[in-house]
Amino acid sequence: AQSVAQPEDQVNVAEGNPLTVKCTYSVSGNPYLFWYVQYPNRGLQFLLKYITGDNLVKGSYGFEAEFNKSQTSFHLKKPSALVSDSALYFCAVRDLRHSGGGADGLTFGKGTHLIIQP
Amino acid sequence: DGGITQSPKYLFRKEGQNVTLSCEQNLNHDAMYWYRQDPGQGLRLIYYSQIVNDFQKGDIAEGYSVSREKKESFPLTVTSAQKNPTAFYLCASSFSSGNTIYFGEGSWLTVV
Repeated sequence: AQSVAQPEDQVNVAEGNPLTVKCTYSVSGNPYLFWYVQYPNRGLQFLLKYITGDNLVKGSYGFEAEFNKSQTSFHLKKPSALVSDSALYFCAVRDLRHSGGGADGLTFGKGTHLIIQP
Repeated sequence: DGGITQSPKYLFRKEGQNVTLSCEQNLNHDAMYWYRQDPGQGLRLIYYSQIVNDFQKGDIAEGYSVSREKKESFPLTVTSAQKNPTAFYLCASSFSSGNTIYFGEGSWLTVV
């Protein structure tokens, strides 16, 4: 079975400081990894994904994430936080060995509230 | 604009009543999904469909039903058998051969 853990319910960062939102995963094979962001009362927006290749993945709005196979982690980072980055962030994982296409095998973490203080 | 449209945004259900949430996409995606979101629990998969006229149960299908008569449409019915239906419902879609799913804006369902 696959799983995702987001160990922090909430992360507080001052505007202009670097931010990190943590994610660890567990799969039997190699993972597909995703980050999504959700603003209040809205759907989820795709930020970035790791499939294969370079361990540092760059995404939308200046976000990036680093895949670390030995630590089974996929932490989301941004060098300089903006107040507008305040939102709920979800990490998700899918086992590459999952048969077929699509995202029916996608498992989401419980989400981390990111609060950027002016 | 291309995207996923969910309606209504807010819906109220009386006890014992069935209600249907609409989801339409014009992204030419093959696969469509319904998720339920409760505070602090992340997203849970209700049903998904990879092709027209075929759909599969997800992790929490009890009390829900779906249909997929057209590629663009995947309505979700919340039946009276669903005892705790108050939640935020998210529709999503993807290409069958791809892995990134894209979400609609969500629908709030409240039992009154």
